[in-house]
Amino acid sequence: GEDVEQSLFLSVREGDSSVINCTYTDSSSTYLYWYKQEPGAGLQLLTYIFSNMDMKQDQRLTVLLNKKDKHLSLRIADTQTGDSAIYFCAERYNTDKLIFGTGTRLQVFP
Amino acid sequence: DADVTQTPRNRITKTGKRIMLECSQTKGHDRMYWYRQDPGLGLRLIYYSFDVKDINKGEISDGYSVSRQAQAKFSLSLESAIPNQTALYFCATSTGGTYNEQFFGPGTRLTVL
Repeated sequence: GEDVEQSLFLSVREGDSSVINCTYTDSSSTYLYWYKQEPGAGLQLLTYIFSNMDMKQDQRLTVLLNKKDKHLSLRIADTQTGDSAIYFCAERYNTDKLIFGTGTRLQVFP
Repeated sequence: DADVTQTPRNRITKTGKRIMLECSQTKGHDRMYWYRQDPGLGLRLIYYSFDVKDINKGEISDGYSVSRQAQAKFSLSLESAIPNQTALYFCATSTGGTYNEQFFGPGTRLTVL
């Protein structure tokens, strides 16, 4: 079945870049997403990438997609304390359902 | 005002009790979803509805039921709560458009003793 995996934790120093990785199994996914969950809140869409793209950049965020390896990454440049949150990758498959990864907790320290 | 609201935000109940979690949205979206979040397991889909008369099971629907009372309202019920249903529950909505962004409510933290 479909499965989306992420590492559980990442700790970075303020000002450094963060790279959060994700692997997925369904090669027929049309869109892949990154959602951010701040403490005590629901998830918010950060960015997405269509499956025929290799890269997407949006201000401090860069998404890389390697379809051959079914690997998705999110790079956050100049990471700030406000970026501390849980980041979920998700893939979209058939009837518009999303499969979410386990989430990566990003901790940014001064 | 929040576009997707959930009530209650927190609930503590006992094993065997019936519980209803409610979700309302003002976004005018047809599609609504219920997820549960457990540490280390991410979000898992319980039920979803693409229209008022449409109800579909997700990957973990056992022990849950839903009701889509109107376009704007989607309720999740636990007929007889058990401790392993202790989790954070999220409602979400979407238009189902090109990239189908889902908009999430703030969550309901449910504890079953």
